[in-house]
Amino acid sequence: KQEVTQIPAALSVPEGENLVLNCSFTDSAIYNLQWFRQDPGKGLTSLLLIQSSQREQTSGRLNASLDKSSGRSTLYIAASQPGDSATYLCAVNGGNKLVFGAGTILRVKS
Amino acid sequence: DAGVIQSPRHEVTEMGQEVTLRCKPISGHNSLFWYRQTMMRGLELLIYFNNNVPIDDSGMPEDRFSAKMPNASFSTLKIQPSEPRDSAVYFCASSLQVAGYTFGSGTRLTVV
Repeated sequence: KQEVTQIPAALSVPEGENLVLNCSFTDSAIYNLQWFRQDPGKGLTSLLLIQSSQREQTSGRLNASLDKSSGRSTLYIAASQPGDSATYLCAVNGGNKLVFGAGTILRVKS
Repeated sequence: DAGVIQSPRHEVTEMGQEVTLRCKPISGHNSLFWYRQTMMRGLELLIYFNNNVPIDDSGMPEDRFSAKMPNASFSTLKIQPSEPRDSAVYFCASSLQVAGYTFGSGTRLTVV
């Protein structure tokens, strides 16, 4: 059974810092991995999708890497802003369904 | 594309009543998923469909929960009878094969 762990559970940083969110998964037989953002009381917004054959994906200030063999992914956020404050969720697709981590709650202070 | 559309956005009902949540997936997507999110348990997969056929309903908590997908553009999740512990946010998502998932805005259900 796939298990997904996200570290840290919560993070508070001053504006402008570069930061890294970590995701680990137990079964390396995956199709892809997806990072989502969720604002309080809102739905999930897809940030980045990495296929199993890829090593990283970039979108603006966001960069996600994937090391399938070690069961790890990182989400790198450059020059953080208060608007980045949200919960970040990592989800692994092992075939037909996504398994989610518990999320990292990020607060960027101005 | 309007994305995945869920209705209603909010539902407040009394214990024992029937509740029906609705979802319209993105046109052309062949997989549809129902998730439930609570503070205690996070996001849990309830059931998913491939090409309108239920594939895995092992996440459905009890027989009180049922889901249907009569065609490629519509799905329902029904709870009958509802109980206070069913209070949660219910999300619908759709995808095409191994492409990324797109989630709807969710239905916040409160059972009093």
